[in-house]
Amino acid sequence: DTGVSQDPRHKITKRGQNVTFRCDPISEHNRLYWYRQTLGQGPEFLTYFQNEAQLEKSRLLSDRFSAERPKGSFSTLEIQRTEQGDSAMYLCASSLAGAGPETQYFGPGTRLLVL
Amino acid sequence: QKEVEQDPGPLSVPEGAIVSLNCTYSNSAFQYFMWYRQYSRKGPELLMYTYSSGNKEDGRFTAQVDKSSKYISLFIRDSQPSDSATYLCAMSAGFSGGYNKLIFGAGTRLAVHP
Repeated sequence: DTGVSQDPRHKITKRGQNVTFRCDPISEHNRLYWYRQTLGQGPEFLTYFQNEAQLEKSRLLSDRFSAERPKGSFSTLEIQRTEQGDSAMYLCASSLAGAGPETQYFGPGTRLLVL
Repeated sequence: QKEVEQDPGPLSVPEGAIVSLNCTYSNSAFQYFMWYRQYSRKGPELLMYTYSSGNKEDGRFTAQVDKSSKYISLFIRDSQPSDSATYLCAMSAGFSGGYNKLIFGAGTRLAVHP
């Protein structure tokens, strides 16, 4: 257990529905990342936060995706009007920037299946 | 062409064997190199971290980086059945003394049989 938690661990939804995932990072970590991993592939970067500021978004993050990190604590990732292609594992990672080499610690992931 | 190429395997070895896992990359700006281990249905777990070229050893694991060839390796000595997992290489160009987004390889599935 790395100390990063994600909820829910599994989500099954129907195409067109909205879903929201939550990530609780390690408490003192100021950076939080979201990645997506499909079967047989490595994780792909989606977006990251430095405290509450969202500093970079991948082109993979279409306008149906939105992420927030209010007050620099937990983060949510929402997918609107889900599509079957959104089925994947959504991984959250956190790190402490500015104290030597930055190590990203990953949570267990939320596995999404869109029917 | 992907920025990071990794043979997906599967790689099957007997217990006690030396395992060699490799990745190649195309972006010469990468300077932080990592190996993660991922068990089935779990998140990736950091194994090794290397900055720039050179070797790093930690117990049974050795990571090598050859920036001139854009090639990184992970060696596992005396492999154990508990090493059976997917091994992901990851790298980053770095950002203001740290690094931000990681670019991952596809992962190599390793099976160590008794």
